[in-house]
Amino acid sequence: AQSVTQLGSHVSVSEGALVLLRCNYSSSVPPYLFWYVQYPNQGLQLLLKYTSAATLVKGINGFEAEFKKSETSFHLTKPSAHMSDAAEYFCAVAEQAGTALIFGKGTTLSVSS
Amino acid sequence: KAGVTQTPRYLIKTRGQQVTLSCSPISGHRSVSWYQQTPGQGLQFLFEYFSETQRNKGNFPGRFSGRQFSNSRSEMNVSTLELGDSALYLCASSLSRTPDEQYFGPGTRLTVT
Repeated sequence: AQSVTQLGSHVSVSEGALVLLRCNYSSSVPPYLFWYVQYPNQGLQLLLKYTSAATLVKGINGFEAEFKKSETSFHLTKPSAHMSDAAEYFCAVAEQAGTALIFGKGTTLSVSS
Repeated sequence: KAGVTQTPRYLIKTRGQQVTLSCSPISGHRSVSWYQQTPGQGLQFLFEYFSETQRNKGNFPGRFSGRQFSNSRSEMNVSTLELGDSALYLCASSLSRTPDEQYFGPGTRLTVT
């Protein structure tokens, strides 16, 4: 069965600092991989997705992620954090068919001024 | 284009009661998936409907059921509510059965007392 591990349930950075949120997946076949963001009392918003095209994926709000098959990782980065980036971030994996997503436990990002 | 809408947004029920939640997908989307989000278990896939048929189901008891109508609107029902059913229930819609672009609604917050 596929699974997703997000290292660090809580990450704190200063405004302007690099954001790095870690995600490792287990899959025997090339998966679909996603990063979603959730703001308080809201649903999930898709940040970016990997679907076996380019390994470096650019998303919205300046975020990007790199698919590394050898490390089974899909870490999310942003060069310079903004206060508005404070939210909960979820990494997810999906099988080739169907829409079921398997989510990691989430990482709460705090940004201080 | 209107996003995914979920009604009601908030709901309080008593143990033993049943509840029905509604999800209206983005116009033209034919696939609807449901997820349960709790602090302890995180985001878990409930089921997926496409063309009025359940295509996939997560590991939840039979008290959790759903259906999809010909206009792609979907409902999920939970019978004999338990305290542990308190959660944010999210639905997501997509054009087809591929997982590469799902749009989430704001969720229904269910509290069971």
